Amino acid sequence: QKEVEQNSGPLSVPEGAIASLNCTYSDRVSQSFFWYRQYSGKSPELIMSIYSNGDKEDGRFTAQLNKASQYVSLLIRDSQPSDSATYLCAVKDANFNKFYFGSGTKLNVKP
Amino acid sequence: KAGVTQTPRYLIKTRGQQVTLSCSPISGHRSVSWYQQTPGQGLQFLFEYFSETQRNKGNFPGRFSGRQFSNSRSEMNVSTLELGDSALYLCASSLTDRVWNEQYFGPGTRLTVT
Repeated sequence: QKEVEQNSGPLSVPEGAIASLNCTYSDRVSQSFFWYRQYSGKSPELIMSIYSNGDKEDGRFTAQLNKASQYVSLLIRDSQPSDSATYLCAVKDANFNKFYFGSGTKLNVKP
Repeated sequence: KAGVTQTPRYLIKTRGQQVTLSCSPISGHRSVSWYQQTPGQGLQFLFEYFSETQRNKGNFPGRFSGRQFSNSRSEMNVSTLELGDSALYLCASSLTDRVWNEQYFGPGTRLTVT
């Protein structure tokens, strides 16, 4: 059984700070990694996807992948109160179109 | 381009009844996956369909079933509802099944079993 682990939080950061969200996974052959944002009462929204080791930037978001350490992270720069949500890490099975989700990290950005 | 749509958005059923939920994927997407989300268990994978074939299945009892039609629309059915089936049911669609595939969620159907 593939495992995707996230700290449930809540992670509290002041407005304007960098929020760092972390995720570890158990399957060494996983190749595709995704971050979703989920507001309370809403469905998950895809923020970032990353497939290669290193950093991938999109606006205020940076995803970081380290396959050797089986670790993926999401940095949110200049955090805003509107970023307050639960962030879900997802790992796609290398052989099947099956996604494994972590339990999510709740982020609170305080004005 | 329209996103993933799910109907109905809210549903209240009684124990022992059955329910059918519907999902229309993003135009051109051929893969549809279903998830159950509860506060205690998080996002749990139910099954995935690609070109009308179920290719992956999660660890749910046989009361949970699904199907996909030739236009990629999908339905899931839950028979003999139990109180524990109360959850947000999410449908997600993907263009293909390739490794770089991204999955997009619909708004969900919130099912309450009384």
